[in-house]
Amino acid sequence: QKEVEQDPGPLSVPEGAIVSLNCTYSNSAFQYFMWYRQYSRKGPELLMYTYSSGNKEDGRFTAQVDKSSKYISLFIRDSQPSDSATYLCAMKRGSQGNLIFGKGTKLSVKP
Amino acid sequence: EAGVTQFPSHSVIEKGQTVTLRCDPISGHDNLYWYRRVMGKEIKFLLHFVKESKQDESGMPNNRFLAERTGGTYSTLKVQPAELEDSGVYFCASSQVTGRIGSPLHFGNGTRLTVT
Repeated sequence: QKEVEQDPGPLSVPEGAIVSLNCTYSNSAFQYFMWYRQYSRKGPELLMYTYSSGNKEDGRFTAQVDKSSKYISLFIRDSQPSDSATYLCAMKRGSQGNLIFGKGTKLSVKP
Repeated sequence: EAGVTQFPSHSVIEKGQTVTLRCDPISGHDNLYWYRRVMGKEIKFLLHFVKESKQDESGMPNNRFLAERTGGTYSTLKVQPAELEDSGVYFCASSQVTGRIGSPLHFGNGTRLTVT
């Protein structure tokens, strides 16, 4: 079983839709959870960084962590064509530890 | 603030040749990481420097890979001799050494390595 599972998609939505992206994980030792956005031929760009359980909101983006279910989510409100990218979840055990990534979900927002 | 920069952006070499990848982290970031994405797979950890010391090199695939960070600034990753399965995108990331909460990793745009 992989440590982090993420549906690779692709996911296609119309502009303005609410997008829900998810990852599940198996290791209860993970405490730090991140979402990265990656455009083609670019490096991953940090979107959200959360520690432990709960919600975090930043503009149109909301990250949720449910440690009891080992499940994290990223919601994008009022999606825009510029949100079209691959979204990667990542997590780590300790504050300085290495990241474990999901495979990434490719999102396309159609105008 | 300049981001993490990697050079070259793309390298095509023949099997058996040597390639050296370079990473310049964000100024002041003591943590430096190397990751790799092989086609169709997840991004995977290779190793972690704190300043010039290797903190964790558990992800290095074999002894054909050598990473250095002399002086604790930029880092190089050398593959010698390269094999076909080494093809992929090599990412470098850096972060500050902070307290309990930690700080997020900032990634470069990667070096796309093709071994033919």
